[in-house]
Amino acid sequence: EPEVTQTPSHQVTQMGQEVILRCVPISNHLYFYWYRQILGQKVEFLVSFYNNEISEKSEIFDDQFSVERPDGSNFTLKIRSTKLEDSAMYFCASSRGQVSGNTIYFGEGSWLTVV
Amino acid sequence: GQSLEQPSEVTAVEGAIVQINCTYQTSGFYGLSWYQQHDGGAPTFLSYNALDGLEETGRFSSFLSRSDSYGYLLLQELQMKDSASYFCAVGNAGNNRKLIWGLGTSLAVNP
Repeated sequence: EPEVTQTPSHQVTQMGQEVILRCVPISNHLYFYWYRQILGQKVEFLVSFYNNEISEKSEIFDDQFSVERPDGSNFTLKIRSTKLEDSAMYFCASSRGQVSGNTIYFGEGSWLTVV
Repeated sequence: GQSLEQPSEVTAVEGAIVQINCTYQTSGFYGLSWYQQHDGGAPTFLSYNALDGLEETGRFSSFLSRSDSYGYLLLQELQMKDSASYFCAVGNAGNNRKLIWGLGTSLAVNP
C-alpha cells in the first residue's frame, strides 16, 4: 500500500540552527501538508501546498518556516533559526484531492528536538 | 473562533462498546473526520461524515448531526489494540485543505 515517508525520524539540533525535514508524498497525490504535534498536545495544521504554491497556512507558519517541492517527489519543510518551542513531532501528509477528509494520509513523523 | 471538544480520557473493557463524543464550533463546516493515533505515531484516518447520519466501517461507526454541531465515534467489540488516542477534526472554510483538530481522547481498553 502506498505511504507517505519522512526523514529523518528524529533530529536533535541546537537553538538557532536551520533544519530541513523531508517528505515523499504518495505519488499520485496533488495536495501536501505539514502538521505539528507538541508532545502530549493536539495535532496542529501548519501549511498546505498545491500546484507548487502554498494554498493555506496557519498563524504558526510564520517567516521562520518555508516549504518547497524541489523535484517531482520530495516535499520539504525548512525551519530557520530554530527555537526551543519548535520541539515537536512534524507530520507530513498528502491527499489526492481537497474535497473529502478521508483522503489525507500521514507519514510516521519527524521528531525534532531543539536544545 | 473554531474549537472542538471531546473527552480527554475514556476507559472500557474488551468486548464492550464505547462512544467518543465531539462537539465543534467552526465557520464554513466541511465534514467531520476521526483519526486514530497510537503512542504518537502517524494519525490514521478512521471515518468521515459530510452529511447527517451514521457511517459504518466494520467495528467503527461515526455519526454526525450538523444542526447540533455534534458527532461521535462508536467503537464496538473493543480489542486491546484499540487502546489509542482518537481525534475528531473538522474541515475549515468550505474545504478540507486545513483540518482543525480536537485535543484527542485517550482510550484505554482493559482485559
